[in-house]
Amino acid sequence: DTAVSQTPKYLVTQMGNDKSIKCEQNLGHDTMYWYKQDSKKFLKIMFSYNNKELIINETVPNRFSPKSPDKAHLNLHINSLELGDSAVYFCASSQGQRHNEQFFGPGTRLTVL
Amino acid sequence: RKEVEQDPGPFNVPEGATVAFNCTYSNSASQSFFWYRQDCRKEPKLLMSVYSSGNEDGRFTAQLNRASQYISLLIRDSKLSDSATYLCVVNAGGTSYGKLTFGQGTILTVHP
Repeated sequence: DTAVSQTPKYLVTQMGNDKSIKCEQNLGHDTMYWYKQDSKKFLKIMFSYNNKELIINETVPNRFSPKSPDKAHLNLHINSLELGDSAVYFCASSQGQRHNEQFFGPGTRLTVL
Repeated sequence: RKEVEQDPGPFNVPEGATVAFNCTYSNSASQSFFWYRQDCRKEPKLLMSVYSSGNEDGRFTAQLNRASQYISLLIRDSKLSDSATYLCVVNAGGTSYGKLTFGQGTILTVHP
């Protein structure tokens, strides 16, 4: 199926650990994003990449490091996890950045204990 | 003031009802506008784009008033399957192309 996929779907870990979330899209899009949806359901953009180049970096702690090995993949690595990092993380992709629809992955529910 | 503001609801309506959601945005340079739908524990999905002239897609009608920085969504003849959270979404212009700003969402429950 053509889609945006993320792994893992659920991630439970201890404070202080380092973890990664992977995202892949096979829609042929050139732009990918990471969003965070907190417990109050606000969805906020964290990063976007266009053709592997960082375009948007929204005041995110530098414990969060995105990596785009190619334009079909955008992974998110988080160092020294904190309780406040608990949230649902959504990856998304679009063709271009202007008016085009963004397609979201199913989300990764991260719980930091 | 929040960048995108919506009435969080919840709205509880019977099947067949007409319901309207409102949204305001603060950045007058915003370029494009959308309504997304998010079902419980699922990802957001595009419902419809919003154009200055207003646009309709079946039972859904979206309006944009740039002067008032106001967006609306009207759902006619509500169905049980319309129950979801509706997200008002704005795409900033300038160097922030691609940066979607989401409202907090309006929860709709349609009951039999």
